[in-house]
Amino acid sequence: DAGVIQSPRHEVTEMGQEVTLRCKPISGHDYLFWYRQTMMRGLELLIYFNNNVPIDDSGMPEDRFSAKMPNASFSTLKIQPSEPRDSAVYFCASSGRGNQPQHFGDGTRLSIL
Amino acid sequence: GNSVTQMEGPVTLSEEAFLTINCTYTATGYPSLFWYVQYPGEGLQLLLKATKADDKGSNKGFEATYRKETTSFHLEKGSVQVSDSAVYFCARKGLGGYNKLIFGAGTRLAVHP
Repeated sequence: DAGVIQSPRHEVTEMGQEVTLRCKPISGHDYLFWYRQTMMRGLELLIYFNNNVPIDDSGMPEDRFSAKMPNASFSTLKIQPSEPRDSAVYFCASSGRGNQPQHFGDGTRLSIL
Repeated sequence: GNSVTQMEGPVTLSEEAFLTINCTYTATGYPSLFWYVQYPGEGLQLLLKATKADDKGSNKGFEATYRKETTSFHLEKGSVQVSDSAVYFCARKGLGGYNKLIFGAGTRLAVHP
């Protein structure tokens, strides 16, 4: 079974550049979540979708961050312009309905210089 | 309230020692409860879950019992191994019909030979 697939695994870029993180959820899952993990703030939920519709984006830190889910098998998280404080590991997760657990990807380690 | 509180780490143990990581939650009703584990460089993986009061979740020698009287879901293992070294996250299902999870801050476990 293919799990949640994230790309790229690592991204190093200069501040001011646009960054796009990608996620392919597990086939058949209704929910998709984007998280950010740092040493200082731990694991933070940024936004989540149900059936491709954004349900709660209150965790998105500011307008520089945006997320889309154009179809059931693909989502992007975009940062424009990027800043050094955006450096973190970004995780995507998906789950089915009811009490189904969330399945996490291996994350994208983002470094903004 | 809508939160999950875990004991602070790091927890440092010798191999074959007994492990307890405390977790308490605040909630209206009886949400499903989860323990996730994160190994270095990887995403979170579901370790075990319990969906109703008095349920016991178990996996890989780890156990946790859903105790509504004390609103707790403590993680235990009788004999830890070096390979159990990781960060452990307690989580509860969020309010409403969506599959959002509320995570604790995580507890780092280091097991020495």
